[in-house]
Amino acid sequence: DTGVSQDPRHKITKRGQNVTFRCDPISEHNRLYWYRQTLGQGPEFLTYFQNEAQLEKSRLLSDRFSAERPKGSFSTLEIQRTEQGDSAMYLCASSLGRTQGGYTFGSGTRLTVV
Amino acid sequence: LAKTTQPISMDSYEGQEVNITCSHNNIATNDYITWYQQFPSQGPRFIIQGYKTKVTNEVASLFIPADRKSSTLSLPRVSLSDTAVYYCLVVDSNYQLIWGAGTKLIIKP
Repeated sequence: DTGVSQDPRHKITKRGQNVTFRCDPISEHNRLYWYRQTLGQGPEFLTYFQNEAQLEKSRLLSDRFSAERPKGSFSTLEIQRTEQGDSAMYLCASSLGRTQGGYTFGSGTRLTVV
Repeated sequence: LAKTTQPISMDSYEGQEVNITCSHNNIATNDYITWYQQFPSQGPRFIIQGYKTKVTNEVASLFIPADRKSSTLSLPRVSLSDTAVYYCLVVDSNYQLIWGAGTKLIIKP
């Protein structure tokens, strides 16, 4: 297992288009997290799953954002009707159960909305 | 709001020991202190975690005084490749990571 994989690494889209990102966590990890990071800032929590159940969503996550983890393995994050303010790095992390901080992050998907 | 305060940036030289201090005045009894490292265009990487006193691994040491209101990440004999952003986080009982802006560490030759 090579860690957490995210695809694509980069995405450029026009405003108003929909985009979907994929995250493949470490195979035995049952928890999966999505974060968003803008330049010069730390990551910002979006949502997390335990197995296939989405247990928490940030209030910052607008209705245009949706995430799924249908079989408790990989996850997708979709952004509908993208806006320029959605431009950011989208990070995925996974962990085995509850952990006090030892999450494994992927390399992220860099989204640019033009 | 981030639960921690750390310097925005620091400079050091190859071969030196670097200490980055983080303040977390409102840390709760069950909270842990965790440090991550992040290189440009990569996700954060877990470095070390502790509750009190001292923790050491192959990468760094973490010093936490008795009152736990601060912590210090110590990187021994840094190299150019240690140039990165370092994040201090307090992980609460909800296991939620709340990130600040981190400390940008620049190592010079």
